[in-house]
Amino acid sequence: GAGVSQTPSNKVTEKGKYVELRCDPISGHTALYWYRQSLGQGPEFLIYFQGTGAADDSGLPNDRFFAVRPEGSVSTLKIQRTERGDSAVYLCASSLTRGNNEQFFGPGTRLTVL
Amino acid sequence: AQTVTQSQPEMSVQEAETVTLSCTYDTSESDYYLFWYKQPPSRQMILVIRQEAYKQQNATENRFSVNFQKAAKSFSLKISDSQLGDAAMYFCAYRSETSGTYKYIFGTGTRLKVLA
Repeated sequence: GAGVSQTPSNKVTEKGKYVELRCDPISGHTALYWYRQSLGQGPEFLIYFQGTGAADDSGLPNDRFFAVRPEGSVSTLKIQRTERGDSAVYLCASSLTRGNNEQFFGPGTRLTVL
Repeated sequence: AQTVTQSQPEMSVQEAETVTLSCTYDTSESDYYLFWYKQPPSRQMILVIRQEAYKQQNATENRFSVNFQKAAKSFSLKISDSQLGDAAMYFCAYRSETSGTYKYIFGTGTRLKVLA
């Protein structure tokens, strides 16, 4: 089927606002990852879901960041009280299961906080 | 903690020539995978090649091959017969097979320019 999709492609918001970024993984993929890519850097791990549960959220920078995956498919990354330093490309990836499986990446959402 | 280092921010290669991108990593683990991903301006990360740490034979995918030196913790990517479409950011990545998360740890990337 289709690859990983992410919406919106670009999001511009003002400092202090709340944003939601959506990820649609490949159908049937149980593992889902969020990464953040700041300008000039490689992607950095944020959170990993296996099914509906967040199995590892050690990469979330602070409690303003939260992610859900209520039905084990679509995931939403939520950022409260956005700061200029949150500006980055947020990448989502999914894999068939965890472990020895390739992660397929979406095109990312570019978040700009003014 | 594991780290991945790419010391070449930018590289250039003439079309049809060969170029090698460098990557070193640090880990105390013995079971892991290494990857090279390509990221064009579209932002989509595309898998180029991967290497399992327990395999001594270097991975090859068409024009792409790696030089995996486990003792030296080095994992370079060689692109032969470079094409204009190879121009992109290239990221080296490490994935632990023992952490239970299988998250990737990426380097800072190398921008490859291909000159016509």
